[in-house]
Amino acid sequence: ELKVEQNPLFLSMQEGKNYTIYCNYSTTSDRLYWYRQDPGKSLESLFVLLSNGAVKQEGRLMASLDTKARLSTLHITAAVHDLSATYFCAVDPLGGGADGLTFGKGTHLIIQP
Amino acid sequence: SQTIHQWPATLVQPVGSPLSLECTVEGTSNPNLYWYRQAAGRGLQLLFYSVGIGQISSEVPQNLSASRPQDRQFILSSKKLLLSDSGFYLCAWSADSRNQPQHFGDGTRLSIL
Repeated sequence: ELKVEQNPLFLSMQEGKNYTIYCNYSTTSDRLYWYRQDPGKSLESLFVLLSNGAVKQEGRLMASLDTKARLSTLHITAAVHDLSATYFCAVDPLGGGADGLTFGKGTHLIIQP
Repeated sequence: SQTIHQWPATLVQPVGSPLSLECTVEGTSNPNLYWYRQAAGRGLQLLFYSVGIGQISSEVPQNLSASRPQDRQFILSSKKLLLSDSGFYLCAWSADSRNQPQHFGDGTRLSIL
């Protein structure tokens, strides 16, 4: 059974600081996705990581994938309040076909002024 | 562009009552379709997925069922709701390619009384 673990599950940080969210998974995969969810809202796709060593950046967020270590990171640079949300990583196991993704429990991020 | 619609947005139902949630996708054909449930403060759990009309795969045994009567329509149903069925239900679609992310609808918040 594929397991996806995120840490931390809860993070409170100040504006301007840097931090990294980690996503570990238990089986071979070459596809990993990061999503953002605002309170009471649906999920918004942030990044699609499709190969070992993939790195994607959008504004203050940068995501990377190490398939050998089965680890993805979401790095936040100089955090701003608007980035407060819950962030999920989701894994598509190798050879998984069209079946659904396995999500981590999410990291609830609060950025304080 | 592609859009996904879910309704209703909010639903309050008594225990033992039936359920029907509907999801439709526009602007694409032959999408992969998914139903997820998110319990309060938790990650997403895949319930059902479908790769074509009439083709439904169930991930978790429960008193819910899904149907896909048309290419871009996905329905989640129950004959008798349980208290444990409360949660945030999300429909998602993806293109018929493993390199594409899943795109989520706005969700239905279901409360069972």
